[in-house]
Amino acid sequence: EDQVTQSPEALRLQEGESSSLNCSYTVSGLRGLFWYRQDPGKGPEFLFTLYSAGEEKEKERLKATLTKKESFLHITAPKPEDSATYLCAVRTTGANSKLTFGKGITLSVRP
Amino acid sequence: NAGVMQNPRHLVRRRGQEARLRCSPMKGHSHVYWYRQLPEEGLKFMVYLQKENIIDESGMPKERFSAEFPKEGPSILRIQQVVRGDSAAYFCASSPLAQNTGELFFGEGSRLTVL
Repeated sequence: EDQVTQSPEALRLQEGESSSLNCSYTVSGLRGLFWYRQDPGKGPEFLFTLYSAGEEKEKERLKATLTKKESFLHITAPKPEDSATYLCAVRTTGANSKLTFGKGITLSVRP
Repeated sequence: NAGVMQNPRHLVRRRGQEARLRCSPMKGHSHVYWYRQLPEEGLKFMVYLQKENIIDESGMPKERFSAEFPKEGPSILRIQQVVRGDSAAYFCASSPLAQNTGELFFGEGSRLTVL
């Protein structure tokens, strides 16, 4: 069974304090790994897709990386507006195209 | 370009009543997915539909839950005889035709409270 595990469950940072969020996965065959951001009371908002080990993508203060077993979301010099829950999901090489999500990491950035 | 539209945003039902949640996908999208999110848990896949077809319902409870995506109109997630454990946020997502590598686009969710 496909599994996605995110750690830590929650992370509190001071503004400007860089850190990384981890997503480890166990799947039969990876078709893509996705990062989403979810604000309270809202739907998930797409951030990145990574398809193969060694791939990296950047957007403002966020950078996502991928290895054969895990992905990291690096946050450089975070701001309070980066506070949100960050979700990791995988799509496998099975017949359909659903995403399997981890439980998410709740990030709080203090000013 | 309107995103995925879900309604109602909030729904309160008493035990035993029926709940109907609607989802209109983004323009040009013909694939719809329903997910359920409970507090402290991640998004759990329920069902994947294309127009007039259920493709994968492996995450759908066997009883009381059904979903459809008719040729015309929104996708509907129907929960019959609701129980307190059905209280959750239900999210709909859509993707374009023949999409099997790209992201899903999510709506704002429908929050069901069962009294």
